[in-house]
Amino acid sequence: QVQLVESGGGLVKPGGSLRLSCAASGFTFSDYPMSWIRQAPGKGLEWVSYISSGSNYKGYADSLKGRITISRDNAKSSMYLQVNSLRAEDTAVYYCARGVVVAGSNSDAFDIWGQGTMVTVSS
Amino acid sequence: QSALTQPASVSGSPGQSITISCTGTSSDVGSYNLVSWYQQYPGKAPKLMIYEGSKRPSGVSNRFSGSKSGNTASLAISGLQAEDEADYYCCSYAGSGTFVFGTGTKVTVL
Repeated sequence: QVQLVESGGGLVKPGGSLRLSCAASGFTFSDYPMSWIRQAPGKGLEWVSYISSGSNYKGYADSLKGRITISRDNAKSSMYLQVNSLRAEDTAVYYCARGVVVAGSNSDAFDIWGQGTMVTVSS
Repeated sequence: QSALTQPASVSGSPGQSITISCTGTSSDVGSYNLVSWYQQYPGKAPKLMIYEGSKRPSGVSNRFSGSKSGNTASLAISGLQAEDEADYYCCSYAGSGTFVFGTGTKVTVL
């Protein structure tokens, strides 16, 4: 079945780095744009980053720009998020999500979500 | 990239209809017909309910409908049911490969 599985979260000290991974299965990964979205404990959803199907177009949230890098490996059906200089306010569940594609066109919404990976930044 | 504004909470009795508003700016909601809505239960991943402002994915009840006027999008839920009690978020494309979510609305079924 169509599935996204995130990994790479954990406890990190302030100033540290993490590389989050998202493994896709059950669909042709290379046909879809992907995004990372996070949710701090008890808070709302925050879009983090976007990558087009062919990696030629990327977008980053202003609040994290300069500290994050999104990438994907279509041969491995996987997407990644490198987060550097981690701060306490980066503590959140990080979701990967598939972009909606209808009749070959992007609809700029997210139809499949992973279960999330928890990132905790604390000393 | 300021969050879209949603009411913190909306409530209704079973069978009633409710509407959740989502107010953005001319740079996001007002510029694109690309507002989506998500339902989230506690501890669960969000679920897409509406995309492109008013389209429902396969499997989503037709009790859910979306619309937009100017810089404000809306999600309507008719025939409110106990299972509709959840958090709801709007999201808009904001140009240059960026998106912005709403502040979220807790729907309570009385």
